[in-house]
Amino acid sequence: QQQVKQSPQSLIVQKGGISIINCAYENTAFDYFPWYQQFPGKGPALLIAIRPDVSEKKEGRFTISFNKSAKQFSLHIMDSQPGDSATYFCAARRMGTYKYIFGTGTRLKVLA
Amino acid sequence: IAGITQAPTSQILAAGRRMTLRCTQDMRHNAMYWYRQDLGLGLRLIHYSNTAGTTGKGEVPDGYSVSRANTDDFPLTLASAVPSQTSVYFCASRSRDRDGGELFFGEGSRLTVL
Repeated sequence: QQQVKQSPQSLIVQKGGISIINCAYENTAFDYFPWYQQFPGKGPALLIAIRPDVSEKKEGRFTISFNKSAKQFSLHIMDSQPGDSATYFCAARRMGTYKYIFGTGTRLKVLA
Repeated sequence: IAGITQAPTSQILAAGRRMTLRCTQDMRHNAMYWYRQDLGLGLRLIHYSNTAGTTGKGEVPDGYSVSRANTDDFPLTLASAVPSQTSVYFCASRSRDRDGGELFFGEGSRLTVL
């Protein structure tokens, strides 16, 4: 079963717009929630991450919003740029381990 | 800085053949991982190793084996490849210097099993 559910599967945004990608998890035994960015032909790379004791974390144009009671977290990309076009994965780390469960990915395309 | 090096970059393989995907890191990270990436399924953990000499099973370990003889190398072996193992395989290592541990990925090995 998919323990981390990610939506949408694909997203098209105009340049300058806001991109929003959502993830929901079922298992409460997760303690770390990173987002990874992947460009075509490359491996994923860490973009931003949050711990569940924080409701929001911002790094430049990228913000994670975390809702512990709803078991949901989302990535917001402000002022989206064509260079942000990539596949984005949310992930959750099992508490007490370093095993990460990934979402199914969102392919983002930002139109110039 | 090389980071994670995977080989081969791509390979076409006949079903039933044995194949080893190589992974080498130069960051002296203790933990290493193998993931497979399939469209619509995201990244799924095959096997992992927390330190040299130890390995563990991930979400989809069947049909795969790994070994960890030293810190730098973590090969993945398909003993008898099947078409369902057609995928892009990523090796990763985990740093210790971030709160949650950052994963560093290689550029992937695209495997096609006919």
